[in-house]
Amino acid sequence: QSALTQPASVSGSLGQAITISCTGSTSDVGVNKYVSWYQQHPGSAPKLVISDVSNRPSGVSSRFSGSKSGNTASLTIAGLQTEDEADYYCTSHTRSNTLLVGGGTKVTVL
Amino acid sequence: QVQLVESGGGVVQPGGSLRLSCAASGFTFRSYGMHWVRQAPGRGLEWVAVIWFDGSQKYYGDSMKGRFIISRDNSKNTLFLEINSLRGEDTSVYYCARGFGSSVVHDALDVWGQGTMVTVSS
Repeated sequence: QSALTQPASVSGSLGQAITISCTGSTSDVGVNKYVSWYQQHPGSAPKLVISDVSNRPSGVSSRFSGSKSGNTASLTIAGLQTEDEADYYCTSHTRSNTLLVGGGTKVTVL
Repeated sequence: QVQLVESGGGVVQPGGSLRLSCAASGFTFRSYGMHWVRQAPGRGLEWVAVIWFDGSQKYYGDSMKGRFIISRDNSKNTLFLEINSLRGEDTSVYYCARGFGSSVVHDALDVWGQGTMVTVSS
């Protein structure tokens, strides 16, 4: 199975909103609610920021939100802050009971 | 506090084997599915495998089947990953992570270890 498709990079100015897309297929993103998003700063382990398409774990900023339409899930970061500069990965449960990961998106704060 | 600590990484020759461990503390280990995820230097995340809370079910990434074996010892709060016939492309940081959620693979990973580096080189 191919990895989920994410843009390699997204940039935005301080205070701006950005959206990262995650495109899969009818075998994964399109058929279930099990899409998660992770933030990873250099040298650190990933951190869960969104689960089940749009659920935000306790302690995660409300500036992070998730959605899905068809085979594409999206992560939106509102009011971009310098600490949001990181790599972001999406994952999706698949019909064959595996976990598919996106290629990752580098977010740069201008 | 909730914590996962990996160990067992190092430099291994091609064709060799390795067993990674992940010690859990601060939560009821036997109640959670557990995952291994790896990341090659400068590359993205790659899911390796998941094991159910009781060890009864195991699922592997498509490119992981055959050489990777996930297991756990709930009496010792420890997760394991055995990797056989190691290749250069297995060089990665290997993370263990706690999974939750209602999917078969407990797909949301909410607690991660710091990772252990495996380098395959002669």
